[in-house]
Amino acid sequence: GDSVTQMEGPVTLSEEAFLTINCTYTATGYPSLFWYVQYPGEGLQLLLKATKADDKGSNKGFEATYRKETTSFHLEKGSVQVSDSAVYFCALSLGAGGTSYGKLTFGQGTILTVHP
Amino acid sequence: DAGVIQSPRHEVTEMGQEVTLRCKPISGHDYLFWYRQTMMRGLELLIYFNNNVPIDDSGMPEDRFSAKMPNASFSTLKIQPSEPRDSAVYFCASSLGQGKNTQYFGPGTRLTVL
Repeated sequence: GDSVTQMEGPVTLSEEAFLTINCTYTATGYPSLFWYVQYPGEGLQLLLKATKADDKGSNKGFEATYRKETTSFHLEKGSVQVSDSAVYFCALSLGAGGTSYGKLTFGQGTILTVHP
Repeated sequence: DAGVIQSPRHEVTEMGQEVTLRCKPISGHDYLFWYRQTMMRGLELLIYFNNNVPIDDSGMPEDRFSAKMPNASFSTLKIQPSEPRDSAVYFCASSLGQGKNTQYFGPGTRLTVL
């Protein structure tokens, strides 16, 4: 079945460090890929997305490129801030057809803590 | 737009009691999703609706769980009877149109069953 595997956490970084959170997926079709972020005590918010191969999603300094050949969608940021501390979820969604239509399949989440 | 609204934000109840969680999706959205989040199991999709019709309830853990969407602006998730292992954060999300579109999440209901 469809699945998303994220880099094990937690990840602890100093402010201004470079961030990578790995995400790979398995899907029967051609999914859209998402990164969601969950701040403490809140619901999930969309961070960025990409809907087809080689697309790059970007937002708030975060980037991720849809790599079909490696079935990956790694999240990167060049210089993290304390305010980026949160849980990050990679997810996929398939298009029309089958019972998976309309569903998001999430990875297990990666906790990021950024220290001053 | 007010976003997805969930109530209550926190619920503490005793084992065996009935619990009802409520969700108001974003106006105009035609998909509504219920998720459960725990430390052990992460985020799990329980059920989702399209145009008020349940499409996939394969994630509903047991017959104790039921969900309804009587109209486009309201959905409930009911647990009867509740058990301590049901303690979790329950999220509602909604989206517009096809499955590749963004889901917008509510703030969640933190349920504690004693």
